[in-house]
This record gives sequence, structure tokens and C-alpha cells, in this order.
Amino acid sequence: EPEVTQTPSHQVTQMGQEVILRCVPISNHLYFYWYRQILGQKVEFLVSFYNNEISEKSEIFDDQFSVERPDGSNFTLKIRSTKLEDSAMYFCAGQGRIEAFFGQGTRLTVV
Amino acid sequence: AQSVTQPDIHITVSEGASLELRCNYSYGATPYLFWYVQSPGQGLQLLLKYFSGDTLVQGIKGFEAEFKRSQSSFNLRKPSVHWSDAAEYFCAVGHMEYGNKLVFGAGTILRVKS
Repeated sequence: EPEVTQTPSHQVTQMGQEVILRCVPISNHLYFYWYRQILGQKVEFLVSFYNNEISEKSEIFDDQFSVERPDGSNFTLKIRSTKLEDSAMYFCAGQGRIEAFFGQGTRLTVV
Repeated sequence: AQSVTQPDIHITVSEGASLELRCNYSYGATPYLFWYVQSPGQGLQLLLKYFSGDTLVQGIKGFEAEFKRSQSSFNLRKPSVHWSDAAEYFCAVGHMEYGNKLVFGAGTILRVKS
């Protein structure tokens, strides 16, 4: 069964450093998303991506964040200058018509 | 604004007992409704979904959920809980009219005692 793959599973980074989280969605998905879950809190929408551009972003998704799908396969989330409060589990999701399939997540720890 | 309420933060049930996890939503239209399960340190696994039609939907692992439009609810049920069901359960809503993104509830942590 195809699945959404995220790498790395866990990343530790120093405050102020740039990080890139990677995702390989299921090939026939049309919509792509990043969500975030701070420890002990609910899953929050960050950004949606459709037809090679951002279709919607939340207020969390400020200028420090960017997304790309450079090669039609990988879908990346970049955080330019990480802050302590960026520590969270980041989930990538892909969606065909209706339901979203999530990856296993990347746990980002900013120290 | 769209929102999802899961009123129970923690629930503890005995193995073999029945389970009901509550979910209420506030949404502009009748949304698509989902239940996801998350085991510790793991990703989100889709248990079941409702789009239209029969309001009682069956999912994986013996779970079912019932959509009640009049109550804006989508409660998750299982007749007999197994120890392996211990996890966190998230109700989520979405709709193409609202960009397909999912709005999640805060989650309910299920503990199963033997």
C-alpha cells in the first residue's frame, strides 16, 4: 500500500539554523499539506499546496516558512531561522479527491 | 470559524468494555468528517471517514462512527476495546469549500486497563 514518507524522523537543530523537512507524497495526490503538532497540543494546519503553488496558509506560516515541490516528487518545508517555539512534530499530508493521508511525521527539536 | 470539540481529554476503559469518544463540530456547511488515531511517537492513521450517504460508517480495527446532523456530532464507537487500542484519537473536519484543509479537535487519550 503506498504511503507518505517523511525524512528525517527526528531532527535536532540549534536556534537560528535553517532546517528542511522532506516529504514524498503518494504519486497521484493533488493537494499537499504541512501540519504541526506542538507537544501536548492539537494538530494545526500550516499550509496547503496545489498546482505548484500555495493555495492557503495559516497565520502560523510566516516569512520564516516556505514550501517547495521542486521535482514533482519531493515536497519540502523550510524553516529559515528556527526558534525554540518551532519545536514540534511536523506532518506532511497528501490528498487525492477527499481524504488526506499523513506521513509518520518529523519531530523537530530546537535547542 | 470552523472548530472541532472533543470534550473528553482522557478516557479510561476496561479491556472488553465498549467505548464512545465524542466529537462535535461547528462548520459552515456539512463537512467531511474523519477520525484519526495516533500511537505515541507515531503518525496519524485514518480510522474512518464520512462524506455523504449512510450516517453510520465503518472503519478499520472494528471502529464505527455515527454522523448526527441535528447534533453536529460524529462520535466514534467500538463495542469491545482491546489493549492495543490505547492511543490518542483525533476528530477532524474539512471541506473542499474551505480549501480541503483539516481542522482537528484537541484529541482524546484512551487508556485501556486490563
